[in-house]
Amino acid sequence: SYEVTQPLSLSVALGQTASITCGGSNIGSKNVHWYQQKPGQAPVLVIYRDRHRPSGIPERFSGSNSGNAATLTISRAQAGDEADYYCHVWDTSTAGVFGGGTTLTVL
Amino acid sequence: EVQLVESGGGLVQPGRSLRLSCVVSGFTFDDYAMHWVRQAPGKGLEWVSGIGWNGRDIGYADSVKGRFTISRDNAKNSLYMQLNALTTEDTALYYCVKDSGSGRYGHLDYWGQGILVTVSS
Repeated sequence: SYEVTQPLSLSVALGQTASITCGGSNIGSKNVHWYQQKPGQAPVLVIYRDRHRPSGIPERFSGSNSGNAATLTISRAQAGDEADYYCHVWDTSTAGVFGGGTTLTVL
Repeated sequence: EVQLVESGGGLVQPGRSLRLSCVVSGFTFDDYAMHWVRQAPGKGLEWVSGIGWNGRDIGYADSVKGRFTISRDNAKNSLYMQLNALTTEDTALYYCVKDSGSGRYGHLDYWGQGILVTVSS
């Protein structure tokens, strides 16, 4: 079955740029979606199909996907961006696959 | 406003069964695929099962295949999950989730608040 890997944690200074990667074999050929989950809350979609932002998501959130890695980029990081971030793809066997999640800390 | 409200969770002994329900509002239910995603305490997200708009395209994670059954009633705007032969590893918060499309391979654009299932003797 297909697997995707994310770093367990990432720290970014306030106002700087955070880049969270999601690695997988030829992941560039798949649509990658990203979700933000704050403590005690349900996940929220922040990027879909590699690079598209749902309405209400700040332009500071962007995404890219090529080769063996997809990336979620958060520009001008704010304290309110502290959360767990999960990437998500669909396996060819039609099963949903989530990355293990990355905890983002804004210093 | 899109709303997904889960119910049916609780404490259950290993080997027993439980049925989860999710009632939705704010969108045309039978236009969209739906999913169940779970999260064990302190752990990450795990896709459990998905069902297409007409109930015919169904998939399960290997971890629940043969034990869980997903279904939907479009007339009642409701999604269900029958959980059988439960084990302690099934203890998790179960989310009802809306797919962005009619087939079950889109992004997950709306999530319920989740319902807790605890399997313990």
